[in-house]
Amino acid sequence: DAKTTQPTSMDCAEGRAANLPCNHSTISGNEYVYWYRQIHSQGPQYIIHGLKNNETNEMASLIITEDRKSSTLILPHATLRDTAVYYCIVRVRLASNAGNNRKLIWGLGTSLAVNP
Amino acid sequence: DAGITQSPRHKVTETGTPVTLRCHQTENHRYMYWYRQDPGHGLRLIHYSYGVKDTDKGEVSDGYSVSRSKTEDFLLTLESATSSQTSVYFCAISVGENEQFFGPGTRLTVL
Repeated sequence: DAKTTQPTSMDCAEGRAANLPCNHSTISGNEYVYWYRQIHSQGPQYIIHGLKNNETNEMASLIITEDRKSSTLILPHATLRDTAVYYCIVRVRLASNAGNNRKLIWGLGTSLAVNP
Repeated sequence: DAGITQSPRHKVTETGTPVTLRCHQTENHRYMYWYRQDPGHGLRLIHYSYGVKDTDKGEVSDGYSVSRSKTEDFLLTLESATSSQTSVYFCAISVGENEQFFGPGTRLTVL
């Protein structure tokens, strides 16, 4: 299963863009990249996912390199409420008897601190 | 939160006692998961379910069993709790083939 590598921690000033990098050099062609975040002790929250094209939604943008070996999550205007641990995850397929189900391979994430 | 609740939210128990954690969803999603989260580790999949009475093991299933007798409930049982099972347990559901939604978590302490 492909694994991801992320910086342990990052800082960002409130109102500025937060760019969180992720390395997934062993990713295979059919594996998606997902981003989640976890605020304090809450359950993880889905942010965005992609396969090979850049993606944008109301929360963030995801930039995936052409060789798919790395990606960057961009929070365009970080706020204090964006302080959290951000996980870059590769989604792999579960056993065939689970149909189209997938499992997520979790790493330790990046602890992002947004400062006033 | 996709209508996911977990109970209890906190539990302290003693080594050797059985413990059952409950995950309840209100939206009839097919896929449900149990994870544990520990310092120094990412979330690790314990068991998952792809339908009523259909379950399978994840990467850290030893010492755990699950049951799903109806769509809305997925139970995680520790038959004989050990201190190594002290953890925060998260239940999740899949919405379609995309994102997973997580419950609020259960903090379990085994003394």
